[in-house]
Amino acid sequence: EMQLLESGGGLVQPGGSLRLSCAASGFTFSSYAMSWVRQAPGKGLEWVSAISGGSGSTYYADSVKGRFTISRDNSKNTLYLQMNSLRAEDTALYYCAKERGTNRANAVDIWGQGTMVTVSS
Amino acid sequence: EIVMTQSPATLSVSPGERGTLSCRASQSVSNNLAWYQQKPGQAPRLLIYGASTRATGIPARFSGSGSETEFTLTISSLLSEDFAVYYCQQYNYWPITFGQGTRLEIE
Repeated sequence: EMQLLESGGGLVQPGGSLRLSCAASGFTFSSYAMSWVRQAPGKGLEWVSAISGGSGSTYYADSVKGRFTISRDNSKNTLYLQMNSLRAEDTALYYCAKERGTNRANAVDIWGQGTMVTVSS
Repeated sequence: EIVMTQSPATLSVSPGERGTLSCRASQSVSNNLAWYQQKPGQAPRLLIYGASTRATGIPARFSGSGSETEFTLTISSLLSEDFAVYYCQQYNYWPITFGQGTRLEIE
């Protein structure tokens, strides 16, 4: 069974940092692009960042560009999101997501259960 | 950035009836359009990709149509488990963008 398990969320002060992790299992991790998608409380879905299967290409939403860094360790089947200079508007449930393809953008066919990030003083 | 606009914001339908949800893109996204279902407290679930291809395990009562800028998700005969929030997503251009969602509620 394909699974994604996020960790690393929590409460952080504005300007602080967090690193989210996502452990993947049940599929050939390196063969697929991966994304982070977030959802603020009571709001819709917002795509945050994506990385190709071989880590050669990364993409970011304008709202996080320059502050967040996506990476992956294919030897550990793990996806990461380093979040710096956090703002109150970054408060959300962060989903790890497996895309259907390897390199270019694609639909998400597997979602984790999410890890909550709260930015507040 | 491609803006995805879903309508209506809320759709009230009786069980057994047909539900039709719309999604419009601010410019052509070809057929690179997906639909997701989200129930309270759950992660989204992929229903449709490529505008019209059902994802694995999705019942035939869900169908997608459209191309370029106009897309439709149709649920042919609504079951109680289908009442949820539905999102469209374009993945033709970076950044990937979602619609704001349509809440499908029981009338």
